[in-house]
Amino acid sequence: GENVEQHPSTLSVQEGDSAVIKCTYSDSASNYFPWYKQELGKRPQLIIDIRSNVGEKKDQRIAVTLNKTAKHFSLHITETQPEDSAVYFCAAVSGSARQLTFGSGTQLTVLP
Amino acid sequence: DTAVSQTPKYLVTQMGNDKSIKCEQNLGHDTMYWYKQDSKKFLKIMFSYNNKELIINETVPNRFSPKSPDKAHLNLHINSLELGDSAVYFCASSPDSRNTIYFGEGSWLTVV
Repeated sequence: GENVEQHPSTLSVQEGDSAVIKCTYSDSASNYFPWYKQELGKRPQLIIDIRSNVGEKKDQRIAVTLNKTAKHFSLHITETQPEDSAVYFCAAVSGSARQLTFGSGTQLTVLP
Repeated sequence: DTAVSQTPKYLVTQMGNDKSIKCEQNLGHDTMYWYKQDSKKFLKIMFSYNNKELIINETVPNRFSPKSPDKAHLNLHINSLELGDSAVYFCASSPDSRNTIYFGEGSWLTVV
């Protein structure tokens, strides 16, 4: 089945700096890669996603890149703000397994 | 107008008891899930139903039994609760198994 690895597990940045979280996946048939943000005590919520037919997608301060050859994808947050502090999860949908597999999460802390 | 709602939000119970968590979605989605999130924040899929039929059943003790009376509901019944069952249980739904999933607010289960 699909295996998704996520790094780093914790990340601290100064307010205004950029943050990058990286994930790798194992199933070359995977074709959908969402990112979720989970604030403390809340549910995971989708913040951005990318499908395998594009290499990059942006939405204001967040962007996701996908390298299908290397089987990795990354989340980029620019101009970080304290409210960006949360746990971020990457995920991949395997075409064969028909399920979403999550990475282990990254605790992002934005220091004021 | 909560899209995916689950009850109860908090549940404290003694070892050995049987408890249920209910979930309903009003998004018209065909697929529903139960995820378990432990203290380390790992999001692990437990079950997936598509149009009331079980399609994913990960390695979960038999004490956990999902029931889907219709495609808008997926309830989780847990028998003989153990300390290790303490976690947050998230219900979720998606249009199909390859798309974005939407989480409920979570049910915090504490077994004492």
